[in-house]
Parts: sequence; C-alpha cells; structure tokens
Amino acid sequence: KAGVTQTPRYLIKTRGQQVTLSCSPISGHRSVSWYQQTPGQGLQFLFEYFSETQRNKGNFPGRFSGRQFSNSRSEMNVSTLELGDSALYLCASSPGQGGNTEAFFGQGTRLTVV
Amino acid sequence: GENVEQHPSTLSVQEGDSAVIKCTYSDSASNYFPWYKQELGKRPQLIIDIRSNVGEKKDQRIAVTLNKTAKHFSLHITETQPEDSAVYFCAASIFGNEKLTFGTGTRLTIIP
Repeated sequence: KAGVTQTPRYLIKTRGQQVTLSCSPISGHRSVSWYQQTPGQGLQFLFEYFSETQRNKGNFPGRFSGRQFSNSRSEMNVSTLELGDSALYLCASSPGQGGNTEAFFGQGTRLTVV
Repeated sequence: GENVEQHPSTLSVQEGDSAVIKCTYSDSASNYFPWYKQELGKRPQLIIDIRSNVGEKKDQRIAVTLNKTAKHFSLHITETQPEDSAVYFCAASIFGNEKLTFGTGTRLTIIP
C-alpha cells in the first residue's frame, strides 16, 4: 500500500505570494489533516477534511485554507505569505470513520518564505 | 481547547538504560493518546497508543501508562539503543475527532 504523498517536498516563496501544497492520502482513507511544524511551536493543527468537507479547524488566520477532492486528495493554500509561515507542513491521513486510529503522516513540504 | 504539556524537552540516556517522557493534558474528554517518533528529516511515525479504558500498554521495549484522574500519561523505553535517538511527541484527541493536540516534543539522545 502506498503511503501518504506530499508534493512538492521543498518550496521557496517570496513574502506576499501564495502557495498551494498537495497531499495524497493512503488509498481508502477519507480523512486528511494538516499540521504546521516549527522548531518553536511544535506540531500545530491547521484543519481536517473528510468527504470533501472541513470537519475541524485550528487557530490559524484565514490566509490558510484547504480543500478536499472526491478522491480524498487534499490541497492547502496559504495566501499573502509572511516570513513566519516558513515551516514544515505535514499532512496525515486516517480512515476517519469513527473511533481513533493511527494517523499516517506524509514526508512534509518544507516551505521557506524569503 | 485541549493543551498538552510534555517534559523534558531534551533527555540524554546511556545506552541500555531506561528513558521516561511525561505528558499532561487539560481536557478530560480526551481519550486517545498516541506517541510519535520523528527521526531527523523524516515523518512522524506512531510507535504506541493508548485509549482511556486502558491503564497501561506494552510493545516490546516500549510501554505507555495513563492516569486519567491526574490527566497524565508517560512513555517508557527500556534497554535503550542508539536507534532510539529521535524526537518523541505525545498527543491527545477526543473520541471520533481526528484532531491531534501535540506536546512540544522531547529530543532523546542515546549515548553509546
């Protein structure tokens, strides 16, 4: 079974630009969650999508948005990039249908804002 | 919302000794507590998890204990090996909610 795949692996963007990150979950998984990982703040929850609907949302500004497609692939968008958005963005997939089961993480996309 | 605190932030242990990492959580509704290991440059991977209806769970050299009354849970690694060197994260979530609230991580270094 293929694991969670994130693309691209690395990105360098300029302040004010926008960026789109992609996550392909494990086949059969319908829940995709996104996390921001920084040295100072650790892993922070951004949002979760299930069956194309945002089901949970963390405490991030509206510049951070996402969506999920019918094949469960998810994208995350950050608009008007700031230097502080530099981080490793991880997505995690799980079956999402009740109960708590293992969340499988992708390798992440490392975003650098200059 | 849920808040998870994790201690210590760094831990150095002689090879063969035991390591203990502790976490506390704030939301009494939390009932799922996974532990993730993240090696340098790699993705976090689940090493063990526990649900609130269980007080302890073991998997070879790794064990997790949960005290619901005190709202804390701990990771125990025995007979540590160099490959145990990594950053370990605890997390908590509520049943049926995929959102994981993570602790800030513990960098474990095994000294040969």
